[in-house]
Amino acid sequence: GESVGLHLPTLSVQEGDNSIINCAYSNSASDYFIWYKQESGKGPQFIIDIRSNMDKRQGQRVTVLLNKTVKHLSLQIAATQPGDSAVYFCAFNSGGSNYKLTFGKGTLLTVNP
Amino acid sequence: EPEVTQTPSHQVTQMGQEVILRCVPISNHLYFYWYRQILGQKVEFLVSFYNNEISEKSEIFDDQFSVERPDGSNFTLKIRSTKLEDSAMYFCASSEGDRLGQYFGPGTRLTVT
Repeated sequence: GESVGLHLPTLSVQEGDNSIINCAYSNSASDYFIWYKQESGKGPQFIIDIRSNMDKRQGQRVTVLLNKTVKHLSLQIAATQPGDSAVYFCAFNSGGSNYKLTFGKGTLLTVNP
Repeated sequence: EPEVTQTPSHQVTQMGQEVILRCVPISNHLYFYWYRQILGQKVEFLVSFYNNEISEKSEIFDDQFSVERPDGSNFTLKIRSTKLEDSAMYFCASSEGDRLGQYFGPGTRLTVT
């Protein structure tokens, strides 16, 4: 039968490997970006954010890289653990809007023990 | 760690009925939001609320929807006459301010029959 909904990009890694999840945005006026983790049946969980005056920001085991020239955002997870398995979304604000977040399509990360 | 809470976790209602979804944002936050996520799809912005008024709303947020902050802690979303297509997860979020991170609640699953 016909399938509906998103066909998520998937990333499968081995426990202990580093993971890189990518996101593209289209609005050059976007100046604030957030990465969220969403586990099945739960709400999006804030991971890390970055403003457009920065290219890189590090948190605990996570790093976000922002390339404004090509409108690309990435999330790097070091030493990936089974508990990192989830859907990861980037979200960004829009030109003229300080509040509304637009969410990206999401990437399903599966960590194999 | 403070978190956004939402009630109920699951609401089943008949088409045409009114529903009120409730949220308690993080206590020192000033900006409040509602988003929804239809099963298998992206998270979509509905409305933002600041200083007791709507600051921005999406095209989804039509006259059937309203928001209210009835007291110092609760933030509600009302759907006056539910439609089948309103079935979704509804997430409340809050933030301290502009570009300071939006933190999401666990969601209310609304099922319209």
